[in-house]
Amino acid sequence: DQQVKQNSPSLSVQEGRISILNCDYTNSMFDYFLWYKKYPAEGPTFLISISSIKDKNEDGRFTVFLNKSAKHLSLHIVPSQPGDSAVYFCAASDKTTGGTSYGKLTFGQGTILTVHP
Amino acid sequence: DAGVIQSPRHEVTEMGQEVTLRCKPISGHDYLFWYRQTMMRGLELLIYFNNNVPIDDSGMPEDRFSAKMPNASFSTLKIQPSEPRDSAVYFCASSWGSSNQPQHFGDGTRLSIL
Repeated sequence: DQQVKQNSPSLSVQEGRISILNCDYTNSMFDYFLWYKKYPAEGPTFLISISSIKDKNEDGRFTVFLNKSAKHLSLHIVPSQPGDSAVYFCAASDKTTGGTSYGKLTFGQGTILTVHP
Repeated sequence: DAGVIQSPRHEVTEMGQEVTLRCKPISGHDYLFWYRQTMMRGLELLIYFNNNVPIDDSGMPEDRFSAKMPNASFSTLKIQPSEPRDSAVYFCASSWGSSNQPQHFGDGTRLSIL
């Protein structure tokens, strides 16, 4: 039962254009969402997050949009740069997991982004 | 500041041997997580600790896997006996605080069981 899904295994974009990475979730208890970027032979690096009380969060070239009714979030990268080429993971957290105040992270399968010069 | 440090970076061993993976979290972080990444299952949480106490080990695949955190600066994940299907990249991550703080990952240990 995959609670967080990234349906596009890969995405190819031209430098300077917009990259849009998508993520869907099924668990309505998820209330915090994160995007991580991962380069080969390195661990995932936190990129940006959004709480369920918001529908948008921006940080420089990166914007995350959350549509709670559709259980969908997306990461927009504008403008895309070759250095953005990496695997992008969507993750979700549920604060109520196990009765603790911290939720476990459930990750999607990842999307490989390639930005061509 | 030093990030999460994992050792070894690579481990190749024969089936049946004991394997110990090590992790040093970021100083001051009170949560520590062990993940496993495989092609089939992606990134999955195995166990996590808060203040050195295991909170949730429901992701640990079976009794062959065990994890300890004897102090705030060190954790181990042990597999005994190891099997070829344990081959994967194992990540350790740490975070601070009780709510919505991002986890910081180490660079992982690539484990191959022959």
